[in-house]
Amino acid sequence: NAGVTQTPKFQVLKTGQSMTLQCAQDMNHNSMYWYRQDPGMGLRLIYYSASEGTTDKGEVPNGYNVSRLNKREFSLRLESAAPSQTSVYFCASRGRQGVGQPQHFGDGTRLSIL
Amino acid sequence: QKEVEQDPGPLSVPEGAIVSLNCTYSNSAFQYFMWYRQYSRKGPELLMYTYSSGNKEDGRFTAQVDKSSKYISLFIRDSQPSDSATYLCAHRPGGGNKLTFGTGTQLKVEL
Repeated sequence: NAGVTQTPKFQVLKTGQSMTLQCAQDMNHNSMYWYRQDPGMGLRLIYYSASEGTTDKGEVPNGYNVSRLNKREFSLRLESAAPSQTSVYFCASRGRQGVGQPQHFGDGTRLSIL
Repeated sequence: QKEVEQDPGPLSVPEGAIVSLNCTYSNSAFQYFMWYRQYSRKGPELLMYTYSSGNKEDGRFTAQVDKSSKYISLFIRDSQPSDSATYLCAHRPGGGNKLTFGTGTQLKVEL
C-alpha cells in the first residue's frame, strides 16, 4: 500500500529558482495538507485543502502556492526560492470526519536552497 | 505563547525504563489530543489520541490528559530500542480539520 507519496525525496535549488513539490495519495481522502518541519519549530502548516477544489492558508503560507489538481494530488510550488525555505516538507491526507481519523504523512521532501 | 509546548529533549533512557513525555497547552477549550511518533527520515505516524481528560492505554503506551493543569503526557512502559524516535504531541480543535503540533521530543532507548 503506497499511502501518501511525495516526489522528489531530495532537491537542491539556487536562490530564485522555482520548484513544484508533488504529493499523491491513494486512500480516497478528502483533506490534504502541506507542512514544513524545521529544527526547534516542529511541524508548521503551510496550506491545506479540505476537499477537491478548495485550498486555505495555514500558519506559514508566504512564499508558497498550492494546487489541488484532483482528489488524489496536492502540489506545493515555490515561485522564487529563498534560503529561509530550506526545510523538510511533508504532505499529509485525512479521510472522513471523526475524532480518531489520523492524518497520514508521506516521508518528506528534503529541500536545500543555496 | 505557543498553543502547544513540548520539552525538546533529547531524552536518553536504558532499555526497560518507564518513559514520560510531556506537553502543555494554552487553551482550555482544547479537546482532542494526539501523539505522533516519527522515526528518522520518515513522516509522523499516529500513535494514540485522547478526547477531553483521563487516560487511554494501548499496550505499553498510555496517554493522559490533565485538563486542570493543561498537561498531556505519554508514558511508555518497558521501553525498547525500537521506541527510539521523536514524539510529537498535537491537538485538534473540536470539529476542526487542522492539527497544531508541539516541537517534538527526541527519545533514545539504549541497550
